[in-house]
Amino acid sequence: KNEVEQSPQNLTAQEGEFITINCSYSVGISALHWLQQHPGGGIVSLFMLSSGKKKHGRLIATINIQEKHSSLHITASHPRDSAVYICAVIPLDQFYFGTGTSLTVIP
Amino acid sequence: DSGVTQTPKHLITATGQRVTLRCSPRSGDLSVYWYQQSLDQGLQFLIQYYNGEERAKGNILERFSAQQFPDLHSELNLSSLELGDSALYFCASSVVGSPYNEQFFGPGTRLTVL
Repeated sequence: KNEVEQSPQNLTAQEGEFITINCSYSVGISALHWLQQHPGGGIVSLFMLSSGKKKHGRLIATINIQEKHSSLHITASHPRDSAVYICAVIPLDQFYFGTGTSLTVIP
Repeated sequence: DSGVTQTPKHLITATGQRVTLRCSPRSGDLSVYWYQQSLDQGLQFLIQYYNGEERAKGNILERFSAQQFPDLHSELNLSSLELGDSALYFCASSVVGSPYNEQFFGPGTRLTVL
């Protein structure tokens, strides 16, 4: 049973392209996090969302609670954005993770 | 650098053995989370502590246990190790234990069970 589904699994883009990564979930949640895992393995928290939209630099994250869906957008993608992006949903005190989207941005 | 430290970075051991992974949270953070990342299961939540008390439990096996000490560092104990326990173990910390708080991840401990 997968509480969280991410798409696409793999994504290759040319530098400068606009990128969208999707996360759908099946449980009621308190919050949703987007994480970035670098090729070396380190994990960084990008956004926490409970409603609406957040923007940080070239990254934008949105969530639609009614549709149980979130998107992560990267504008003007750059090779340094190459990483695995992971969606995590939090129903109360549990954490469920998507399998991640592996993004490669080619110069 | 997130400010969260984990030791050791790498650990190689044999089946049946017991190991202890250590995590020091960011200064001022009261909550510690433990996660396991394996190739076949992805990231999984194991357990959360807040100010020394267990706060939430995820997919943590009975062979695994954890605690958070008065100085807020945490240890994850893995016993009767099996080949399938080979994984990256991350800890993360946050200011309080709310799901709305940003979590700061440590660099991870890579455990290999032979």
